[in-house]
Parts: sequence; C-alpha cells; structure tokens
Amino acid sequence: QKEVEQNSGPLSVPEGAIASLNCTYSDRGSQSFFWYRQYSGKSPELIMFIYSNGDKEDGRFTAQLNKASQYVSLLIRDSQPSDSATYLCAVNRQAGTALIFGKGTTLSVSS
Amino acid sequence: GAGVSQSPSNKVTEKGKDVELRCDPISGHTALYWYRQSLGQGLEFLIYFQGNSAPDKSGLPSDRFSAERTGGSVSTLTIQRTQQEDSAVYLCATGQYYNSPLHFGNGTRLTVT
Repeated sequence: QKEVEQNSGPLSVPEGAIASLNCTYSDRGSQSFFWYRQYSGKSPELIMFIYSNGDKEDGRFTAQLNKASQYVSLLIRDSQPSDSATYLCAVNRQAGTALIFGKGTTLSVSS
Repeated sequence: GAGVSQSPSNKVTEKGKDVELRCDPISGHTALYWYRQSLGQGLEFLIYFQGNSAPDKSGLPSDRFSAERTGGSVSTLTIQRTQQEDSAVYLCATGQYYNSPLHFGNGTRLTVT
C-alpha cells in the first residue's frame, strides 16, 4: 500500500459546483496533513493544513480529517476556472520523518 | 529573504558530470526538504533536514546523491556522475519547524544530455 494515495483524476466539475478531493494514508501515527495546489510548470503552494479530527474552513476551502479512517479530504465550494490545477495531499508521519506527498488529483473546472 | 531561493534555475549538463544545486531557505526556517519531480509525475521525497542534521535521507535514490546543510541555513544537493534519468525539477521546501507548512522554491530544472 502506498503511503499517501489520491485518485489521479481528472476530476471535472462545472463552475460554481463543489469539488471534492480525497486522500488516504497508511501510517496510523501520522500527525500533520496538508493540501497544496500546483499549477502546470509552477511550484506547489499551500492551501490548507489540518492537525485535528474534524473540519477546518478557510474561505471557499474546507479540509476534513478522519484519523480513524485514515482519510483527509478537501472541499472547494463555488469552484472557479482558476481552481483548475493539480491538488497534492501531503502527510507528515511522525516527528523527525519526511513529509510525503501523494501523486495528486487533477481538477478541471469548466466555465 | 522573502522566500525560498534556489539556484541555478536551469542546469544542462552532460552525462557523467557532477552537479551542485543550492537552496537558500526562508530565514529562521529549521526544516528543509529536497524533492524531485519528473515531468507529469508527483513529488518524490529525497532528504529532510532539521537544522544541520538529516533525520531522514531514505529518499536518496543512489549513492550518487548527497546533500548537506551548513549553519542551519543553506543546503546543497550534489549529484555525481549524472545520468539521463536524473533529469527532473529539483524542488527545495522549508518550514519553520518539522510539521509546519512548507514553502517551496521555484526549483532547479536539471537536464542531463
């Protein structure tokens, strides 16, 4: 089992819809969870981070964490064409270990 | 500086040559990571520094790859006897501490001919 798994997509949603991106991880001891967005030819940029079970909202973005199910998701409300990018889930397993990225989900928002 | 600085931005080298890539972190950031991203692929972890020590170097693909960090600041990634499969974008990312959000540099695009 891969450490961090994401559906590669592409995930296609119409403008204004909710996009739901999912990520599962294998290490039950994982502590920190991040979502990054990467536009083609650019470096990843941080969208959200979450450390505790539950939901965390920031503007149009909501991160959801369920440690029992080893599952973290990102919801994007009112999706815009500018949200079209690859979304990377990253998990920090335990202190002193690396931050591991999933391979990313490509999101396409059509106008 | 304002952000993570990587140099050079582009490097073309001949197979068999050694290359050195540099990363200048955001001031005060203790955690520093090196990743590699091949075209159309995800981020491949290479090595993680906390201060000057490297608690996790499990991602280095072979003994041709090495990295160091001095003064808890600048890091260099060295690739010896480069091969064509080393061609990729090498990304450096730094964070305030080990589990804080990372800030990425613009990367070094390495092409081995």
